Amino acid sequence: SQQGEEDPQALSIQEGENATMNCSYKTSINNLQWYRQNSGRGLVHLILIRSNEREKHSGRLRVTLDTSKKSSSLLITASRAADTASYFCATDDGGTYKYIFGTGTRLKVLA
Amino acid sequence: GAGVSQSPSNKVTEKGKDVELRCDPISGHTALYWYRQSLGQGLEFLIYFQGNSAPDKSGLPSDRFSAERTGGSVSTLTIQRTQQEDSAVYLCASRDPPLEWQFFGPGTRLTVL
Repeated sequence: SQQGEEDPQALSIQEGENATMNCSYKTSINNLQWYRQNSGRGLVHLILIRSNEREKHSGRLRVTLDTSKKSSSLLITASRAADTASYFCATDDGGTYKYIFGTGTRLKVLA
Repeated sequence: GAGVSQSPSNKVTEKGKDVELRCDPISGHTALYWYRQSLGQGLEFLIYFQGNSAPDKSGLPSDRFSAERTGGSVSTLTIQRTQQEDSAVYLCASRDPPLEWQFFGPGTRLTVL
């Protein structure tokens, strides 16, 4: 399957530091989304960026998108212990309703 | 104002048994997805329902897997003759088109012994 990839696979930082994770994908897209997953259960939508956007902010989150490189990054500023989770990117497969999720980045924020 | 719910939250079964997993989407959401997530992995698309259209079953891994959605609301994912490799968390999500983001349920953790 055409699954996206996040890197790093795992990231451990101190509280207050910034966390950056990257996502690469393979198909053309209309939008790219980031989700957070706590404790291996349900995912929560964080932010959506459209293919004609290059950067988007939401609170402590900053997302960039480079469609020429088929890549995106998620920056979490001033991280907190509560940000400890897995983060996934998801793309609409060729602009369809079918979403392809990446393999995820496991973030651990140490208090 | 309930979110997506799934039942059971955990299911332990013996190899060869059939299991049914249930998903109650958010009321009014016409799009419904099933995903499978193996330990420490990403989400694997299984099936997609949209309104009264024929479902997209292209992600179902074998003919032992089937799903239905009754009345455009509740969905059931059935796995027949379960195998150990079916052990995973099964996630359901609903979406309110044209909005693009999904709302996920808490998942069902299936363990096949």
